[in-house]
Amino acid sequence: EAGVAQSPRYKIIEKRQSVAFWCNPISGHATLYWYQQILGQGPKLLIQFQNNGVVDDSQLPKDRFSAERLKGVDSTLKIQPAKLEDSAVYLCASRSNTATEAFFGQGTRLTVV
Amino acid sequence: AQSVTQPDIHITVSEGASLELRCNYSYGATPYLFWYVQSPGQGLQLLLKYFSGDTLVQGIKGFEAEFKRSQSSFNLRKPSVHWSDAAEYFCAVGAYQPKLIFGTGTRLQVFP
Repeated sequence: EAGVAQSPRYKIIEKRQSVAFWCNPISGHATLYWYQQILGQGPKLLIQFQNNGVVDDSQLPKDRFSAERLKGVDSTLKIQPAKLEDSAVYLCASRSNTATEAFFGQGTRLTVV
Repeated sequence: AQSVTQPDIHITVSEGASLELRCNYSYGATPYLFWYVQSPGQGLQLLLKYFSGDTLVQGIKGFEAEFKRSQSSFNLRKPSVHWSDAAEYFCAVGAYQPKLIFGTGTRLQVFP
């Protein structure tokens, strides 16, 4: 079974630039999560999708972050404009409706300089 | 407020020694508890989970954890650590539709 795929693995941008991350969940998984993991901290949920609808985006900084999940499969997370404090690993995870645990991708490490 | 506390930021053990990583949680409802491991440059891998029933749960790679409701704890243990266990370990709490709340992690270093 293929896992959660994320790209790119690494990205370096200057502050005020924009960046996008892509996630392909495990086939058939209806729930998709984006987490932000700042160095030295645990992952923090940014947004949760159920199919192509948003379930929870309470911790998403909506003035600069946006996410979409077209057709309930792949998802993109965008930051525009980026700030230095956005430097982190962005993890995507997915879960099936019959499971209680989520499966994580390898993450995208973003460095904002 | 819902939270997870991992008191130990960094633990160092010798290979073959026993290990216990501490986790305390604060959660209003019956918690679902998880331990994840993260190797450098990798995503999170589930070690074990607790929902109900037997309070001692077995996981992969020889790990186990014990749920103690009276102490709001879910400590992770392994009787004999291998060098390949060096990684960062995260405790997390959630509900049936898991919006996981993670602790800050414990970095495990293993000396030969």
